Amino acid sequence: NAGVTQTPKFRILKIGQSMTLQCTQDMNHNYMYWYRQDPGMGLKLIYYSVGAGITDKGEVPNGYNVSRSTTEDFPLRLELAAPSQTSVYFCASSSRGVLRYEQYFGPGTRLTVT
Amino acid sequence: DAKTTQPPSMDCAEGRAANLPCNHSTISGNEYVYWYRQIHSQGPQYIIHGLKNNETNEMASLIITEDRKSSTLILPHATLRDTAVYYCIVRVDGGNNRKLIWGLGTSLAVNP
Repeated sequence: NAGVTQTPKFRILKIGQSMTLQCTQDMNHNYMYWYRQDPGMGLKLIYYSVGAGITDKGEVPNGYNVSRSTTEDFPLRLELAAPSQTSVYFCASSSRGVLRYEQYFGPGTRLTVT
Repeated sequence: DAKTTQPPSMDCAEGRAANLPCNHSTISGNEYVYWYRQIHSQGPQYIIHGLKNNETNEMASLIITEDRKSSTLILPHATLRDTAVYYCIVRVDGGNNRKLIWGLGTSLAVNP
C-alpha cells in the first residue's frame, strides 16, 4: 500500500491564482482530513470528510473548498490564493468504527503564495 | 474542547528514558489522549493513545494520572532518530464528528 499520497510536493502561486491540492489514500478509509501547518505551529484542521459525498468545515475553512466524490480522493481547492495561505498542507485519513483512532498522514505540500 | 499544555522543548541523552509531560486539566470523561510525533516537517506519525489506563506499545508507554488531568509519554531508550516534535492531543467525539485538537507540541532533542 502506498498509504496517503499528496501532489504536488511544492508549489509557488501568485496572489489571486487558483490551484487544487490532490490527496489519495489506498487504505479504504472512510475519514479524510486536510490540515495546514504554519511555521513553528501545530496543525489546524481545514476540512474533513466522514465518507464519500460528506464534507464538513474544520477550524480554518475560509478560502478553501473540498469535495469527496470517491472514498480514495479528497482534493483541496484554493480559489483566490492569498499570502496568508502560505503554509504546509497535510492530508490524512483514518478508519471508522475502530477504537484505535490513528490518522495516517501524507508527506505534505509546501505552498508559497507571493 | 479540552486543550493541552506541553513544555516547548526538552533534551534527553541517547539511551536514556525520555519523559514528556502533558497537562489536559479540562479533559472530559469521553475524551481520549493521543500522542503523535513529527520528524523534521514530515507528516505526523501516531505513537499511542489512552483513555484512563496506562498503555504500552512497541514505541512508547503512556501514563495517565488517576484524575486524568495530565499524562506522560515515555520513550524508554531514546535514540537520535527520536528527535522530533511530540504532540499531545485530545480527541473529541461527537457522533460522526471526530476531530483532533493540536497544540504546539514539545520539541525533543536527543543528544549523543
